[in-house]
Amino acid sequence: NAGVMQNPRHLVRRRGQEARLRCSPMKGHSHVYWYRQLPEEGLKFMVYLQKENIIDESGMPKERFSAEFPKEGPSILRIQQVVRGDSAAYFCASSLTGGRTEAFFGQGTRLTVV
Amino acid sequence: SQQGEEDPQALSIQEGENATMNCSYKTSINNLQWYRQNSGRGLVHLILIRSNEREKHSGRLRVTLDTSKKSSSLLITASRAADTASYFCATDSETNFGNEKLTFGTGTRLTIIP
Repeated sequence: NAGVMQNPRHLVRRRGQEARLRCSPMKGHSHVYWYRQLPEEGLKFMVYLQKENIIDESGMPKERFSAEFPKEGPSILRIQQVVRGDSAAYFCASSLTGGRTEAFFGQGTRLTVV
Repeated sequence: SQQGEEDPQALSIQEGENATMNCSYKTSINNLQWYRQNSGRGLVHLILIRSNEREKHSGRLRVTLDTSKKSSSLLITASRAADTASYFCATDSETNFGNEKLTFGTGTRLTIIP
């Protein structure tokens, strides 16, 4: 049973380009979280999704950021028109039943905007 | 402010000593979890303690939970150099849809001095 898979591990984008980050949850998990981590800081909640539904997006910036978790395929975090401040590590986690059980994390995608 | 806040922010101890980290939270919870993050890597789940539990052990780890004070502590006994990492507590909080999402604190950076 493969763990949570995130790709790419490293992503470099120029200002104004789009960044697409992918997350495949553990087999059987239908709950996915996205978090952002700036250097030397903790994880900031961004969005919580279940298959085909956004449950809580209170941590998502209102513009340029979107997330989806389709019925088939990985969850996608999309950042349009990236700016330097978007540079961070983005972690995805999946769980079996939401917050009542442990979450398994991917290795993260390090986004660098140049 | 964070639902979970760890203190201290940073802790350095000699190898072999015990390390204690604390976590405080604000709202009622169903469970509290502790995670470890090695530099630049994803988070690894350590232990989950439910709101009706007061203490839990796992190897060299001991977690306590005091729901009246809304606080938890993580004790690592007989520390080793490999314990050097950042440690985060995470609490579940209910969303408007009745699901629970995980909210992380800012973490304690533990350094074990050989």
